[in-house]
Formats: sequence, structure tokens, C-alpha cells
Amino acid sequence: ETGVTQSPTHLIKTRGQQVTLRCSSQSGHNTVSWYQQALGQGPQFIFQYYREEENGRGNFPPRFSGLQFPNYSSELNVNALELDDSALYLCASSLASGRYEQYFGPGTRLTVT
Amino acid sequence: TQLLEQSPQFLSIQEGENLTVYCNSSSVFSSLQWYRQEPGEGPVLLVTVVTGGEVKKLKRLTFQFGDARKDSSLHITAAQPGDTGLYLCAGGVIQGAQKLVFGQGTRLTINP
Repeated sequence: ETGVTQSPTHLIKTRGQQVTLRCSSQSGHNTVSWYQQALGQGPQFIFQYYREEENGRGNFPPRFSGLQFPNYSSELNVNALELDDSALYLCASSLASGRYEQYFGPGTRLTVT
Repeated sequence: TQLLEQSPQFLSIQEGENLTVYCNSSSVFSSLQWYRQEPGEGPVLLVTVVTGGEVKKLKRLTFQFGDARKDSSLHITAAQPGDTGLYLCAGGVIQGAQKLVFGQGTRLTINP
């Protein structure tokens, strides 16, 4: 069974630029959620994708957007990067069949300078 | 807005001691999960509790979900240096998506 994978591992961007982060869900999982974890904090929910559509969103501005593909993999896009966007971005996959468990990938560390 | 408060935020104890970490909220959650996170890695799921009053044991770790499903605790018996890490509680909320609301974490250090 393949776990959740994310790429890239680390990324350095300049304020104002755009970034795309990628996630492959765990085998058999059809739902992907994205979280932002600032240093010293717990993860914050960004949004969730199910059947290629956004299925719920946290308190993040529209410049945070995403996609889910037919193979259930997902992308997180962030436009007009700000310094406060520097964080660990975590992808979690789960089954949308009423199970509660979410399984996380190793994350992408984004630094905005 | 659902919030989870974890306490303590930092805990440093000697090997062999017992400890309890608390996770409290004024909101009701559909489930409560505990994760452990190592530096530079994603959270790893330890346990999920769903029923009020539920108790689950994982070797030396005991997890309890409050009767009203608003709070939880993690108790570690005879802590080992390998237990060192960041422990996160997360409440399950169903609002369209089934999202997790995380506490700020408890950074645990077990000294040999």
C-alpha cells in the first residue's frame, strides 16, 4: 500500500510569485484535504477535494486554489505569495465513506522571501 | 468557530515518569484523533475515538474521549525517550467536508 506523497519537499519563492504544490493520495483513498502549518502551530484546514470538486473550505483567501484529478491526486496553487504564506503545507487523504481518519503526507516546506 | 486548546504546550520529564496531555473545547466533535509529528515530517495518526466516554489503549498510551465529546486526554505510562515528539489532537467536524480542527500541539521531551 502506497502512502501519501508530496512534492517538492522544499521550495523557496519570492513575494508576489505563484507556487504549485502536488500530492498523491494513499492507494484507495478518493478524498484529499490540504492544511497549512505555521511554525509552532497546529495545522489549519485550507480546503478538501472529493470527486474533483472542492468540498469545503477554511478561512483562506481565493488566491489559495486547488485541483483534484481523476486519479485522486491533487494540486494546491497559491498566487501572489505573501511572507505569511511561509509554512509547512500538508496533504491528507481519506475515504469519503464516513470514515474519520485522515492520513498525512510528509509536507512541503514553503519559504517566501 | 471550533477551537481546541491543548495543555500543556511544552512538557519535559524524565524517563519512566507518567504524563497526561489534555485537549479541551466548548464545541462537540464527531470524532477526536491524536497524531504525533516529528520535525520536518507530517503528522502520523495514533488513534481515533468516536463515542463519548470511549477509551483506547496503544501499548503505554491511553486515550480517552470525554462523555460530551468536547474533550480528550492522552496518558503515557513510564515514558521513554522514543516518545519524544509533538502530539496533536484534532477534532472531526462535518461541514460539507469532513475537516479536522487541530490543537496547537504539545511538545514532549523525555530525558534519559
